[in-house]
Formats: sequence, C-alpha cells, structure tokens
Amino acid sequence: NAGVTQTPKFQVLKTGQSMTLQCAQDMNHEYMSWYRQDPGMGLRLIHYSVGAGITDQGEVPNGYNVSRSTTEDFPLRLLSAAPSQTSVYFCASSSPYNEQFFGPGTRLTVL
Amino acid sequence: DAKTTQPPSMDCAEGRAANLPCNHSTISGNEYVYWYRQIHSQGPQYIIHGLKNNETNEMASLIITEDRKSSTLILPHATLRDTAVYYCIVRVEYGNKLVFGAGTILRVKS
Repeated sequence: NAGVTQTPKFQVLKTGQSMTLQCAQDMNHEYMSWYRQDPGMGLRLIHYSVGAGITDQGEVPNGYNVSRSTTEDFPLRLLSAAPSQTSVYFCASSSPYNEQFFGPGTRLTVL
Repeated sequence: DAKTTQPPSMDCAEGRAANLPCNHSTISGNEYVYWYRQIHSQGPQYIIHGLKNNETNEMASLIITEDRKSSTLILPHATLRDTAVYYCIVRVEYGNKLVFGAGTILRVKS
C-alpha cells in the first residue's frame, strides 16, 4: 500500500493563478480531509468528505473547493491564489472509528 | 470538540521516560483523547487514543485521570528520533475532524 499520496510536493504560484492539489489513498477509506499548516501553528481543517459525493466545510474553507467523485481521490482546488494561502497542505484519510493517516504534504508559496 | 491545553515545550534526556501532559477539562462523555506527533514538518502520525481506561501500545502509554479532565502521554524510553511536536486532541470517535492546537515541542537530548 502506498497509503496517502499527495502531488505536487512543492508549488510556487503567482497571485490570481488557480491550481489543484492532488490527494489519493489506496486503503479504501471513507473519510478524507484537507488541512493547512502555517508556520509555527497546528493544522487547520479546510474541507472534508465522509464518502464519494459528500463534502463539507471545515474551519477555513474560503478560497478552496473540493469534490469527491471516487473513494480514492480528493482534490483541493485553489480558485484564485492569494499570498495568505502560502502554507503546507496535508491530506488525510481514515475509516470510521479509526485513526487518520496523513500524506507527506504539499508546500505552496503564493507570490 | 473540547479544547486542550499543553505546555509549549519540554526537554527529555535520551533513554529516559518522556511524560507529556494535556488538560481537557471540558471533555464530554463521548469524546476520546487522541495523541498525534509531527516530526520535522512531515505529516502527523497517530500514536494512541483512549476513552477512560489507560492504554498502551508499542509506541506509548496513555494515562487518563479518573475525572477525564487531564491525561499524560508516556514515551517509556525516549530516543532522539522522538523529537517532534506532540498534539493532544479530543474528539468523538466516529468522525474525521481533528482540531489541532499548538502542541508540545519535545526535544530529546543526548
């Protein structure tokens, strides 16, 4: 099992550009989540999904869109990148009643 | 989900037990205590969780007070590789929303 994979590992964007952060898991987990982590802080929940076709907002959803068309994939879209979105983004997955597994992260810089 | 309070940092000598405290005085009856750690900006890693009984696995032990208002994570023989940020989180078990605080930076020193 590859676990939770994220691409790209690093990305630099200009203000106003859009992009999609990819997340995939091969553990057949129902739950998937996106978090962001700013320097010196804990992770904050952006969006989450409890199954294919079902998504909901977390603590900091503004500026991000998600969709869940398959169990395996949970992409995060930045609609119009802003410097405030410079952060490290982590994807996680889990099955009900079990711990979350996190991906290695995507380090995003918005100039 | 209930809020937790942890010390910002702790030091521990290599080979000694590391005891990391966590206060969660507003925890509800159906909320579990979870511990994760994050090593050098990697993705967080699950360590252990419990409801009201003490728990032990191959990584650590979790001691929860009888009133459930606080807990302690114990790494029995800390190594340099245990240097990390440790997060104490309380949440209902059936759910995937984790609320992270600032955590405790544990420095294991030789």
